[in-house]
Amino acid sequence: ETGVTQTPRHLVMGMTNKKSLKCEQHLGHNAMYWYKQSAKKPLELMFVYNFKEQTENNSVPSRFSPECPNSSHLFLHLHTLQPEDSALYLCASSQDEGRNEQFFGPGTRLTVL
Amino acid sequence: KQEVTQIPAALSVPEGENLVLNCSFTDSAIYNLQWFRQDPGKGLTSLLLIQSSQREQTSGRLNASLDKSSGRSTLYIAASQPGDSATYLCAVRPKWTGNQFYFGTGTSLTVIP
Repeated sequence: ETGVTQTPRHLVMGMTNKKSLKCEQHLGHNAMYWYKQSAKKPLELMFVYNFKEQTENNSVPSRFSPECPNSSHLFLHLHTLQPEDSALYLCASSQDEGRNEQFFGPGTRLTVL
Repeated sequence: KQEVTQIPAALSVPEGENLVLNCSFTDSAIYNLQWFRQDPGKGLTSLLLIQSSQREQTSGRLNASLDKSSGRSTLYIAASQPGDSATYLCAVRPKWTGNQFYFGTGTSLTVIP
């Protein structure tokens, strides 16, 4: 595997379910990000981890819970979501020093029923 | 707060035409600006990264310019091809927000064979 991978690629869940999204980067980067992409809206930054420490949390509801066990893996735990949370969830990584170029995974298409 | 605008929202051109996509941002104190391509339902692919000290970057048929003082960047695509059809997004990293990146809503490009 190369670059940034995300699983699952598609997820359908009910409002009472608990699920997790997984992201893995194989680029040796030290920063990882979760974004939400909804139709007709700019990408919304949700969480940022730098050297496994959360550095940004953009007023995301507590039904979204991130976890970063090491600098290569990032999870987004989901529980009691709402239909308006249906979106494409994108993971990205970058090296915080130097070029700081972001690389994205393919995304998880989430549908909340 | 940094705001990023991309105009036009959609563009349709015949194959072979040269074209320019625009990105404007409100705060010129940026660390870098990155152009991405996104195919429907997919993740973002990095095209070009321009550091704040640079004026332009080139990759193949693509050329991106940066004018910080006017808060603008352009992406020039030469000799467009049907395979260039996608949504093009720009993102800026302000100097004062750590690992935050601000995205525009994108320009949807269709190249007609």
